[in-house]
Amino acid sequence: GESVGLHLPTLSVQEGDNSIINCAYSNSASDYFIWYKQESGKGPQFIIDIRSNMDKRQGQRVTVLLNKTVKHLSLQIAATQPGDSAVYFCAEADYSTLTFGKGTMLLVSP
Amino acid sequence: DSGVTQTPKHLITATGQRVTLRCSPRSGDLSVYWYQQSLDQGLQFLIQYYNGEERAKGNILERFSAQQFPDLHSELNLSSLELGDSALYFCASSALGDYEQYFGPGTRLTVT
Repeated sequence: GESVGLHLPTLSVQEGDNSIINCAYSNSASDYFIWYKQESGKGPQFIIDIRSNMDKRQGQRVTVLLNKTVKHLSLQIAATQPGDSAVYFCAEADYSTLTFGKGTMLLVSP
Repeated sequence: DSGVTQTPKHLITATGQRVTLRCSPRSGDLSVYWYQQSLDQGLQFLIQYYNGEERAKGNILERFSAQQFPDLHSELNLSSLELGDSALYFCASSALGDYEQYFGPGTRLTVT
């Protein structure tokens, strides 16, 4: 597959561990935040979203936390699996336009 | 499979040339977005079309243009290509008022 970024922050975890990926956003007026996963050679794939009036949202094995005070977003992945290895992007929405963060590469070792 | 298709998958061309990238959105989606992904700039929003009309513009160069046709497919035209235009170009689509965008597999453009 093709690499989407050779200089991304990287998080290396063992299979079964919990992973936490962090993101700082810039626009305090953003009303919607999304996490995307991008596997090598593929387009970004929606994982989970959260509206600005929420602090926490849970999905299947994933939780997103939003701290508007410090403009910080995090993605928690429970029981990380090798298939979770990918680049993860946070995105903030202003109307329908998304602004993506730089991304974090998650490497999961079996 | 997101339901968004893009062609071609790979494109190799020379500086100064012009290319056209094509995107078909998910069935029923009226909004189409174009993004450029490069190693140094990350994923950058270029332009959005909704039902044939330009809706929002991002960091799109004047050498680049796009359009959305009545059948809702979209084309991104890149002209006077430079080495720095080498990147992955993604198309995404969404339903009206929906923040969730579905991305295609991308077109890898290499300018030599």
